[in-house]
Amino acid sequence: DAKTTQPNSMESNEEEPVHLPCNHSTISGTDYIHWYRQLPSQGPEYVIHGLTSNVNNRMASLAIAEDRKSSTLILHRATLRDAAVYYCILSPPDGNKLVFGAGTILRVKS
Amino acid sequence: DSGVTQTPKHLITATGQRVTLRCSPRSGDLSVYWYQQSLDQGLQFLIQYYNGEERAKGNILERFSAQQFPDLHSELNLSSLELGDSALYFCASSVYGLPHLTDTQYFGPGTRLTVL
Repeated sequence: DAKTTQPNSMESNEEEPVHLPCNHSTISGTDYIHWYRQLPSQGPEYVIHGLTSNVNNRMASLAIAEDRKSSTLILHRATLRDAAVYYCILSPPDGNKLVFGAGTILRVKS
Repeated sequence: DSGVTQTPKHLITATGQRVTLRCSPRSGDLSVYWYQQSLDQGLQFLIQYYNGEERAKGNILERFSAQQFPDLHSELNLSSLELGDSALYFCASSVYGLPHLTDTQYFGPGTRLTVL
């Protein structure tokens, strides 16, 4: 399974944008980049995914580098509710199991 | 609310016992996945079922087994329980879950298993 590297933790102020980086230098041409997050005491929650082009949805934006070796999840205005562990995951070529790393703990200060 | 339900929410049992965790996927989803989350191992994929058939297997112990029934609900059976099996067990579902067809997984709230 292709590996991702994320910072252990990040901190943000409420109402400010947050950029969560992810490195995936061994990504293959068919791997999608998925982001999930896990709020305290809850199951993981889908955030966004993409293949080559940047993607936007109501929760976040995903910026994918041209060589696809890195990506950035952008939360446009962080709220206290966005405090969670954020996981960057590459979908494997042989199925849909998600391989979770340690993720990035995002702390949001009021 | 993801639409995935799991029962029970909490389970406390003793070593050597057997338990069954139940999962109901979102309406229309054909694939069910089981994950284990422990403090030392993080979130780990256990097994996937697609429309009643086993589709993919991860780090699932031989003491653990799962099945998906015709109504698409799934059960994870854990037997000969050990202290180290204490963890959160999550079920997820997706529409397809087939190779090269990227799919969003929706997770349930989890079952917290404590083995004493």
